Parts: sequence; structure tokens; C-alpha cells
Amino acid sequence: SAVISQKPSRDICQRGTSLTIQCQVDSQVTMMFWYRQQPGQSLTLIATANQGSEATYESGFVIDKFPISRPNLTFSTLTVSNMSPEDSSIYLCSVVGTTHIYEQYFGPGTRLTVT
Amino acid sequence: AQKITQTQPGMFVQEKEAVTLDCTYDTSDQSYGLFWYKQPSSGEMIFLIYQGSYDEQNATEGRYSLNFQKARKSANLVISASQLGDSAMYFCAMREGYNQGGKLIFGQGTELSVKP
Repeated sequence: SAVISQKPSRDICQRGTSLTIQCQVDSQVTMMFWYRQQPGQSLTLIATANQGSEATYESGFVIDKFPISRPNLTFSTLTVSNMSPEDSSIYLCSVVGTTHIYEQYFGPGTRLTVT
Repeated sequence: AQKITQTQPGMFVQEKEAVTLDCTYDTSDQSYGLFWYKQPSSGEMIFLIYQGSYDEQNATEGRYSLNFQKARKSANLVISASQLGDSAMYFCAMREGYNQGGKLIFGQGTELSVKP
């Protein structure tokens, strides 16, 4: 399995500001993934982050709103920009297992509330 | 288009009894993987079990087993001997292809409550 940590674990932010969420993995992984879970909803993929290339965004998500960095094989950041209350969600990073590639693991999540 | 359906928004089970959480899926791919995750109130997603579309045997992991019926496109999770700590949201998810990266499609989840 992979051990994934995220910072911050939770935050309360003002409308119009930005928050950067960090994701650290204990082993090198090719792809890292960012998901969003809005209150009472299921998870939705925001983007896939490969080291050394631009992130690939899913329909409905744009780079200006959710810029992603992937400086190395163990770390990634997701920024939620110009926040509104609709951005209040849990944001989770995820990686494919390094021992068993069919397994997929999630970080503990960042619980964001925008006021 | 691929889709996951969980028809049970909430379930109750008595402690020490077994419970089955339903999941049906829709895909036109021959190669895919099915996952179950547990999400306690803390929000983390805990990987429980995986079943590949070509796996002939049902997956098992401790008290968790996956009842895979390919022709019916169902992948139900069975939890044996329920414990109070099993109370949580449970999500079924699917990934098309074995090497398609980490894009998972999730169902809406089932909230399981275990009664003492």
C-alpha cells in the first residue's frame, strides 16, 4: 500500500481567497490524482497530475480555477482559486498502488469550508 | 458511458450479523476493475477490496468479500460479522481498463449503521 498525507487537514477560508493543498506520498508514483467530494455527494475526479507535464483536467474543471503542480514523484499541490461557498468540499489526492497497480489509495482528505 | 449504481442510500444491520451492500455497473469495456471503499465520518477513503473483470474467483479480504456476477454486472460487498466500527459510508467504484490510471467512477454510496 501507499501512505499518503495531506496538508492542511481542514481549513475555513474567506470568499475570494485561494488555498493550496499539499499531497505527499511515501513512495515514488507516476500519476497522482485529485478528487473532490461535495457535501453529501460522491467523489469526482478533478485532474490527473503527471510529473514533468501539465495536469490533465476532467470536464467541468479548469486550470485557472484548480492549478496543480507536480514537482517530483512524491509530491503534488492543488490550489483552489478565487473560492466561493460552492467550493466547500473534501479534496482528496489519490495514487495507484506501487506493489499492486490495480489497487488505488486515497489521502486523508482536506475538508474546506468557504464562508 | 460507464456508470455505477448503488440503490441503497442507507442500511441497518445488527452487530455480528452479515450484510450485503448492492452495486451494479454499466460499461462497454471487457477489461475493468471494481472497488469498494469505506468512508468514516472523518472523511478518509479506506480501500477495502478489488475485483478485476477477468478474475474468476470472488475477491476476499478478511471480513469483506465481493460477490461478483459478471453477467448481471453486479459487484455486491458482503461484510461478515458486522462490528460497530463498520458504521460508515461505503462507495462502489469502477475503473475501465487495467492500466487506465486512477480515474475511478463512483456510485452515490450506502450509509451503513451497525446496531449494538
